[in-house]
Amino acid sequence: AQKVTQAQTEISVVEKEDVTLDCVYETRDTTYYLFWYKQPPSGELVFLIRRNSFDEQNEISGRYSWNFQKSTSSFNFTITASQVVDSAVYFCALSEARRGDYKLSFGAGTTVTVRA
Amino acid sequence: GAGVSQSPSNKVTEKGKDVELRCDPISGHTALYWYRQSLGQGLEFLIYFQGNSAPDKSGLPSDRFSAERTGGSVSTLTIQRTQQEDSAVYLCASSSGQGGNTIYFGEGSWLTVV
Repeated sequence: AQKVTQAQTEISVVEKEDVTLDCVYETRDTTYYLFWYKQPPSGELVFLIRRNSFDEQNEISGRYSWNFQKSTSSFNFTITASQVVDSAVYFCALSEARRGDYKLSFGAGTTVTVRA
Repeated sequence: GAGVSQSPSNKVTEKGKDVELRCDPISGHTALYWYRQSLGQGLEFLIYFQGNSAPDKSGLPSDRFSAERTGGSVSTLTIQRTQQEDSAVYLCASSSGQGGNTIYFGEGSWLTVV
Protein backbone atom coordinates (compact mmCIF):
# COMPACT_ATOMS: atom_id res chain seq x y z
CA ALA A 1 0.00 0.00 0.00
CA GLN A 2 1.19 3.47 -0.83
CA LYS A 3 2.28 5.17 2.36
CA VAL A 4 2.73 8.62 0.87
CA THR A 5 0.50 10.10 -1.80
CA GLN A 6 1.27 13.23 -3.73
CA ALA A 7 -1.78 13.66 -5.88
CA GLN A 8 -0.37 16.43 -8.05
CA THR A 9 2.00 15.14 -10.71
CA GLU A 10 2.84 18.52 -12.21
CA ILE A 11 2.15 22.13 -11.34
CA SER A 12 2.97 25.08 -13.55
CA VAL A 13 2.78 28.65 -12.28
CA VAL A 14 3.93 32.09 -13.27
CA GLU A 15 6.58 33.74 -11.17
CA LYS A 16 5.29 35.39 -7.98
CA GLU A 17 2.28 33.10 -7.77
CA ASP A 18 1.86 30.94 -4.69
CA VAL A 19 1.90 27.19 -5.10
CA THR A 20 0.76 24.53 -2.65
CA LEU A 21 1.90 20.92 -2.86
CA ASP A 22 -0.30 18.30 -1.25
CA CYS A 23 0.97 15.31 0.68
CA VAL A 24 -1.18 12.67 2.36
CA TYR A 25 0.40 9.86 4.35
CA GLU A 26 -0.70 6.60 5.88
CA THR A 27 0.74 4.95 8.96
CA ARG A 28 -0.32 2.98 12.02
CA ASP A 29 2.57 4.29 14.06
CA THR A 30 2.03 6.94 16.69
CA THR A 31 5.62 8.08 16.30
CA TYR A 32 6.67 9.01 12.82
CA TYR A 33 8.49 11.70 10.91
CA LEU A 34 7.60 13.60 7.79
CA PHE A 35 10.00 15.20 5.37
CA TRP A 36 10.06 17.32 2.26
CA TYR A 37 12.94 17.15 -0.22
CA LYS A 38 13.63 19.23 -3.31
CA GLN A 39 15.27 17.70 -6.39
CA PRO A 40 16.45 20.38 -8.81
CA PRO A 41 17.52 19.50 -12.36
CA SER A 42 21.02 18.73 -11.07
CA GLY A 43 19.56 15.64 -9.43
CA GLU A 44 20.63 15.95 -5.81
CA LEU A 45 17.94 15.55 -3.18
CA VAL A 46 18.00 18.61 -0.96
CA PHE A 47 16.49 18.37 2.52
CA LEU A 48 13.91 21.07 3.25
CA ILE A 49 12.14 20.16 6.47
CA ARG A 50 11.53 17.42 9.05
CA ARG A 51 8.50 17.26 11.31
CA ASN A 52 7.76 14.67 14.01
CA SER A 53 4.29 13.36 14.69
CA PHE A 54 4.02 15.09 18.04
CA ASP A 55 4.65 18.54 16.69
CA GLU A 56 1.74 19.90 14.71
CA GLN A 57 2.98 23.44 14.78
CA ASN A 58 3.13 24.91 11.34
CA GLU A 59 6.45 26.23 10.18
CA ILE A 60 7.59 29.06 7.99
CA SER A 61 11.06 29.42 6.53
CA GLY A 62 11.39 32.38 4.24
CA ARG A 63 9.05 31.82 1.32
CA TYR A 64 8.40 28.21 2.35
CA SER A 65 5.72 27.13 4.79
CA TRP A 66 4.36 23.77 5.89
CA ASN A 67 0.95 22.82 7.24
CA PHE A 68 0.83 19.58 9.22
CA GLN A 69 -2.63 18.24 10.12
CA LYS A 70 -2.77 14.87 11.84
CA SER A 71 -6.56 14.81 11.65
CA THR A 72 -6.37 14.56 7.87
CA SER A 73 -2.93 12.87 7.69
CA SER A 74 -1.63 15.68 5.56
CA PHE A 75 1.61 17.59 5.41
CA ASN A 76 1.24 20.25 2.75
CA PHE A 77 3.94 22.58 1.48
CA THR A 78 3.44 26.11 0.17
CA ILE A 79 5.87 28.23 -1.77
CA THR A 80 4.91 31.89 -1.55
CA ALA A 81 5.81 34.30 -4.34
CA SER A 82 7.41 31.55 -6.40
CA GLN A 83 10.61 32.13 -8.34
CA VAL A 84 12.13 30.41 -11.34
CA VAL A 85 14.75 28.83 -9.05
CA ASP A 86 11.94 26.97 -7.29
CA SER A 87 11.47 24.83 -10.40
CA ALA A 88 12.19 21.29 -9.27
CA VAL A 89 10.62 18.00 -8.28
CA TYR A 90 9.43 18.01 -4.69
CA PHE A 91 9.12 14.82 -2.69
CA CYS A 92 7.23 14.20 0.51
CA ALA A 93 8.48 11.29 2.63
CA LEU A 94 7.51 9.33 5.74
CA SER A 95 9.74 7.60 8.28
CA GLU A 96 8.14 5.22 10.79
CA ALA A 97 9.65 4.63 14.21
CA ARG A 98 8.50 1.03 14.63
CA ARG A 99 10.63 -0.06 11.71
CA GLY A 100 13.79 0.75 13.60
CA ASP A 101 15.63 1.66 10.45
CA TYR A 102 13.75 4.93 9.91
CA LYS A 103 14.01 4.48 6.18
CA LEU A 104 12.08 6.93 4.06
CA SER A 105 9.02 6.01 2.06
CA PHE A 106 8.66 8.59 -0.68
CA GLY A 107 5.70 9.91 -2.57
CA ALA A 108 5.85 9.95 -6.35
CA GLY A 109 6.90 13.59 -6.40
CA THR A 110 5.39 16.77 -7.80
CA THR A 111 7.14 18.59 -10.61
CA VAL A 112 6.91 22.34 -10.16
CA THR A 113 7.63 24.60 -13.10
CA VAL A 114 7.82 28.32 -12.45
CA ARG A 115 7.69 30.42 -15.61
CA ALA A 116 9.20 33.88 -15.78
CA GLY B 1 33.89 16.60 2.54
CA ALA B 2 30.93 17.62 4.60
CA GLY B 3 28.29 15.86 2.57
CA VAL B 4 27.59 12.39 1.22
CA SER B 5 29.99 11.65 -1.59
CA GLN B 6 29.29 9.21 -4.40
CA SER B 7 31.41 7.91 -7.25
CA PRO B 8 31.38 7.63 -10.13
CA SER B 9 29.04 10.46 -11.01
CA ASN B 10 28.29 8.85 -14.33
CA LYS B 11 28.90 5.36 -15.58
CA VAL B 12 28.14 3.87 -18.97
CA THR B 13 28.58 0.12 -19.13
CA GLU B 14 27.83 -2.66 -21.53
CA LYS B 15 25.11 -5.12 -20.82
CA GLY B 16 26.47 -8.10 -18.93
CA LYS B 17 29.33 -6.26 -17.25
CA ASP B 18 29.62 -5.78 -13.50
CA VAL B 19 29.63 -2.33 -11.94
CA GLU B 20 30.56 -0.99 -8.53
CA LEU B 21 29.15 2.20 -7.09
CA ARG B 22 30.76 3.80 -4.08
CA CYS B 23 29.32 5.88 -1.27
CA ASP B 24 31.21 7.81 1.37
CA PRO B 25 28.70 8.94 4.04
CA ILE B 26 28.89 11.95 6.28
CA SER B 27 31.52 11.37 8.96
CA GLY B 28 30.03 9.83 12.08
CA HIS B 29 26.79 8.73 10.45
CA THR B 30 26.03 5.16 11.41
CA ALA B 31 23.01 4.65 9.15
CA LEU B 32 23.46 4.36 5.40
CA TYR B 33 20.82 3.83 2.72
CA TRP B 34 20.83 3.07 -0.98
CA TYR B 35 17.93 4.17 -3.17
CA ARG B 36 17.30 3.89 -6.90
CA GLN B 37 15.49 6.35 -9.12
CA SER B 38 14.65 5.19 -12.60
CA LEU B 39 13.65 7.55 -15.40
CA GLY B 40 10.17 8.78 -14.70
CA GLN B 41 9.93 6.62 -11.59
CA GLY B 42 9.93 7.39 -7.92
CA LEU B 43 12.53 6.72 -5.31
CA GLU B 44 12.91 3.02 -4.61
CA PHE B 45 14.57 1.78 -1.40
CA LEU B 46 17.27 -0.83 -1.93
CA ILE B 47 19.16 -1.52 1.29
CA TYR B 48 19.86 -0.13 4.75
CA PHE B 49 23.04 -0.43 6.82
CA GLN B 50 23.47 0.21 10.52
CA GLY B 51 27.18 0.16 11.04
CA ASN B 52 28.49 -2.68 8.90
CA SER B 53 25.32 -4.75 9.21
CA ALA B 54 22.50 -4.75 6.70
CA PRO B 55 19.33 -5.59 8.65
CA ASP B 56 17.11 -4.63 5.74
CA LYS B 57 17.96 -5.82 2.23
CA SER B 58 14.34 -6.09 1.22
CA GLY B 59 14.59 -3.63 -1.63
CA LEU B 60 17.35 -5.31 -3.62
CA PRO B 61 15.58 -6.23 -6.89
CA SER B 62 17.48 -9.42 -7.64
CA ASP B 63 20.44 -11.51 -6.56
CA ARG B 64 22.55 -9.62 -9.08
CA PHE B 65 22.53 -6.75 -6.61
CA SER B 66 24.67 -6.78 -3.48
CA ALA B 67 26.14 -4.22 -1.12
CA GLU B 68 28.65 -4.08 1.64
CA ARG B 69 29.89 -1.57 4.11
CA THR B 70 33.26 -1.63 5.78
CA GLY B 71 34.61 0.16 8.81
CA GLY B 72 31.18 1.60 9.44
CA SER B 73 31.89 4.07 6.70
CA VAL B 74 32.26 3.52 2.95
CA SER B 75 29.70 1.39 1.18
CA THR B 76 29.85 -0.29 -2.22
CA LEU B 77 26.82 -1.30 -4.24
CA THR B 78 27.65 -3.97 -6.81
CA ILE B 79 25.49 -4.91 -9.76
CA GLN B 80 26.53 -8.09 -11.55
CA ARG B 81 25.70 -8.93 -15.15
CA THR B 82 24.04 -5.58 -15.69
CA GLN B 83 20.81 -5.37 -17.67
CA GLN B 84 19.31 -2.41 -19.45
CA GLU B 85 16.60 -2.13 -16.83
CA ASP B 86 19.32 -1.42 -14.28
CA SER B 87 19.83 2.01 -15.88
CA ALA B 88 18.94 4.53 -13.19
CA VAL B 89 20.32 7.00 -10.71
CA TYR B 90 21.60 5.28 -7.60
CA LEU B 91 21.37 7.53 -4.58
CA CYS B 92 23.18 7.00 -1.32
CA ALA B 93 22.10 8.64 1.92
CA SER B 94 23.23 8.69 5.51
CA SER B 95 22.01 9.76 8.92
CA SER B 96 23.10 9.63 12.51
CA GLY B 97 20.82 6.66 12.96
CA GLN B 98 18.80 8.26 15.73
CA GLY B 99 15.05 8.26 15.35
CA GLY B 100 13.79 10.78 12.91
CA ASN B 101 17.11 12.40 12.26
CA THR B 102 17.52 13.91 8.86
CA ILE B 103 18.68 11.63 6.09
CA TYR B 104 21.10 13.42 3.78
CA PHE B 105 21.56 12.36 0.18
CA GLY B 106 24.50 12.37 -2.16
CA GLU B 107 24.33 13.60 -5.73
CA GLY B 108 23.87 10.12 -7.09
CA SER B 109 25.58 7.86 -9.57
CA TRP B 110 23.97 7.88 -13.00
CA LEU B 111 24.22 4.40 -14.48
CA THR B 112 23.49 3.72 -18.13
CA VAL B 113 23.58 0.15 -19.42
CA VAL B 114 23.90 -0.07 -23.20
